[in-house]
Formats: sequence, C-alpha cells, structure tokens
Amino acid sequence: EPEVTQTPSHQVTQMGQEVILRCVPISNHLYFYWYRQILGQKVEFLVSFYNNEISEKSEIFDDQFSVERPDGSNFTLKIRSTKLEDSAMYFCASSPSQGWETQYFGPGTRLLVL
Amino acid sequence: RKEVEQDPGPFNVPEGATVAFNCTYSNSASQSFFWYRQDCRKEPKLLMSVYSSGNEDGRFTAQLNRASQYISLLIRDSKLSDSATYLCVVTSSGGYNKLIFGAGTRLAVHP
Repeated sequence: EPEVTQTPSHQVTQMGQEVILRCVPISNHLYFYWYRQILGQKVEFLVSFYNNEISEKSEIFDDQFSVERPDGSNFTLKIRSTKLEDSAMYFCASSPSQGWETQYFGPGTRLLVL
Repeated sequence: RKEVEQDPGPFNVPEGATVAFNCTYSNSASQSFFWYRQDCRKEPKLLMSVYSSGNEDGRFTAQLNRASQYISLLIRDSKLSDSATYLCVVTSSGGYNKLIFGAGTRLAVHP
C-alpha cells in the first residue's frame, strides 16, 4: 500500500539553526500539507500546497517557515532560524486530486530544539 | 469556543465493553468529518469518515448531526488493540481541505 514517508525520523538542533524536514508524498497525490503536534497538544495545521504554490497557511506559519517541492517527489519544510518553541512532531500529509478527500499522514519527524 | 471539542478522557474500559465518544465543532460550514486514531508518538491514521446518514465499519459506528454540530463514535466489543487516542477531525469551510483536529479522547482497554 502506498504511503507517505518522512526523513529524518528525529532531528536535534541548536536554537537559531536552520532545519529542513523532508517528505515524499504518495505518488499520484496533488495536495500536500504540513502539520505539527507539540508534545501533549493537538495536531495543528501549518500549510497546504497545491500546484506548486501555498494555498493556505496558518498563523503559526510565519516568515521563518517555507515549503518547497524541489522535484517531482519531495516536499520540504524549512525552518530558517529555529526557536525552542518549534520543538514538536512535524507531520506531512497528502491527498488525491480532489480537495475533500482523505489525507494520509507520514510517520512524522520529531524535532528537538536546544 | 474551541473549533473542535472532545472529552479528553481517559476512558478505561474492560475488553468487550461498548464505549462512545462525542465531539462538537463550532464551524457550521465544515464540509467533511472524520475520526482518526493516534497511537502514542505516532501519526494520525484514518479510522473512518463520518456521514450524515451514519456509517458503520465492523465494530465501529460513526454518526453526524449537522444541526447540533455533533459527531459521535461508538466502539463495540472493545479489544486491547483499540487502546489509543481518538481524534475528531473536521475540514475547514475553504476549498483546500485544511484539517482541524480535536485534542483527542484517550481510550485504555484492559483485560
């Protein structure tokens, strides 16, 4: 069964450093998303991406965040200058061509900012 | 008011029990509704979509009441493997299917 993959599974970084989280969505999907979950809290939407551009972003997704689809398979989330409060689990998700269809989540990247 | 509200639990039930979870949502324009399941430190996994007519998948039954903005999940004959956090999820009213999650209800099934 096709699945969303994410790398790395864990990342530890120093405050102020840049991190890039990588995702490979399911191959025939066209809508891509990033969510995050701070430990003990709910899953929160960050950004959606369609047709090579951001379609919606949350208040969390400020100028320190960016997304990119550099080739036909990868979808990346970059945090330019990490803060302590960026420590969270980051989930990538994708869905098929129709915007209302189910989103499938990757296993997540656990980011720890020290 | 929170966008999606759930009782956090935990619900501690014996194997074989029937357990029901409820959820309310604030945006009457929400279009799609789901129950996801999340195991500790894992990704959310779709359990089932929820339709106005109600739907059943084996031991799981989901109901949606649009007028009351209320969603429910019933689990019959609980198994140990059902122990997890159950997330009530709705989509925003926009066109790009942003998922809005509840904080989840924790279920612990014991022998």
